[in-house]
Amino acid sequence: GAVVSQHPSWVICKSGTSVKIECRSLDFQATTMFWYRQFPKQSLMLMATSNEGSKATYEQGVEKDKFLINHASLTLSTLTVTSAHPEDSSFYICSARDLAGGPGDEQFFGPGTRLTVL
Amino acid sequence: SQKIEQNSEALNIQEGKTATLTCNYTNYSPAYLQWYRQDPGRGPVFLLLIRENEKEKRKERLKVTFDTTLKQSLFHITASQPADSATYLCALDSNSGYALNFGKGTSLLVTP
Repeated sequence: GAVVSQHPSWVICKSGTSVKIECRSLDFQATTMFWYRQFPKQSLMLMATSNEGSKATYEQGVEKDKFLINHASLTLSTLTVTSAHPEDSSFYICSARDLAGGPGDEQFFGPGTRLTVL
Repeated sequence: SQKIEQNSEALNIQEGKTATLTCNYTNYSPAYLQWYRQDPGRGPVFLLLIRENEKEKRKERLKVTFDTTLKQSLFHITASQPADSATYLCALDSNSGYALNFGKGTSLLVTP
């Protein structure tokens, strides 16, 4: 099956620093990738839709200047958490759809990145 | 507002029994519904997708039903095994293209 990787798998940083998380589709192309955030015991919450070659679409309440998304190629999207604060500590998960997929086709999720901001 | 509700209480069953998990939704008219498995500290893994015109779908020991009148999906695992212990998430299409809205998930524990 299709594989999505994320790097790093976990990161600890100091408050005020920026952290970049990479999401790669390893064996398929994805024009669209999605970034989710999950707090303990909570559901995955969609943060933004990353579109290759264009600006990301952010969900209501998600600050686009704080969570910078870049989708420079059909296999790579990056999420940068700028000036991170302890409340940004969470589990960040990306997903991707195969370029050849249609509506409702399964999404492939990355293993997630655990961010801890001290 | 759109809501997806899954039983927040953990489901504990004995190995070999059938586990049944429930997903209810409101203010949705989904074209399809998906079920995912999530292990601790890991991303979700796709299990099954059922479309609005399908009543039931099976995959090995898994069975999903979809009742658009009741606005409910049931997820069954037959002959459950301890390896089936995980959190199971129900997901519906969102208003954001192909992105998904997820329920909080139900934790399943299968004991030997």
